[in-house]
Amino acid sequence: SQTIHQWPATLVQPVGSPLSLECTVEGTSNPNLYWYRQAAGRGLQLLFYSVGIGQISSEVPQNLSASRPQDRQFILSSKKLLLSDSGFYLCAWSPASGFYNEQFFGPGTRLTVL
Amino acid sequence: EDQVTQSPEALRLQEGESSSLNCSYTVSGLRGLFWYRQDPGKGPEFLFTLYSAGEEKEKERLKATLTKKESFLHITAPKPEDSATYLCAVQARQGAQKLVFGQGTRLTINP
Repeated sequence: SQTIHQWPATLVQPVGSPLSLECTVEGTSNPNLYWYRQAAGRGLQLLFYSVGIGQISSEVPQNLSASRPQDRQFILSSKKLLLSDSGFYLCAWSPASGFYNEQFFGPGTRLTVL
Repeated sequence: EDQVTQSPEALRLQEGESSSLNCSYTVSGLRGLFWYRQDPGKGPEFLFTLYSAGEEKEKERLKATLTKKESFLHITAPKPEDSATYLCAVQARQGAQKLVFGQGTRLTINP
């Protein structure tokens, strides 16, 4: 069966510091991978998605970036965090061969920027 | 632009009191509609995929239905453990790698 991991689970960072969040998927090959942000009490905002190694699509202009160095690894980064970057970050995967895009989510990372 | 609107934003029910959550959507050709459950501080958990108008899916006390403009999540005789936020998302035929999510309905079941 497939498993998706995210770390860290929680993170408190000062404004202007760098960020690196990691997501890995087990039990599948060549998945589509996604990064979302969820503000308190709000829906999910798609940030980035990837259909393969080194292939990143950005949905929202911001000071965040994403990379996919390995097939089942997805990293969300920032060089300098802003207060507005606080939120709940979710990674998700879907089967690349699927016609219907059922996405399966990780446990999330709660980021607080002070 | 594809859009999903969920109502109500919040719903409080007594245990055993059945009700429905609504998900209205506008999309340029629907490929699939998805329901998720999200507990506080956790990632969303996949519940159902609906593919075409008239389709229904059931899981325990939950039943999801789909028309050409909206989907309903019916909750029959809910229990306190059904308390969660329920999210609806659509997949369009164009840009099919992405889902568009609604804002969710926060459901509370009082014992």
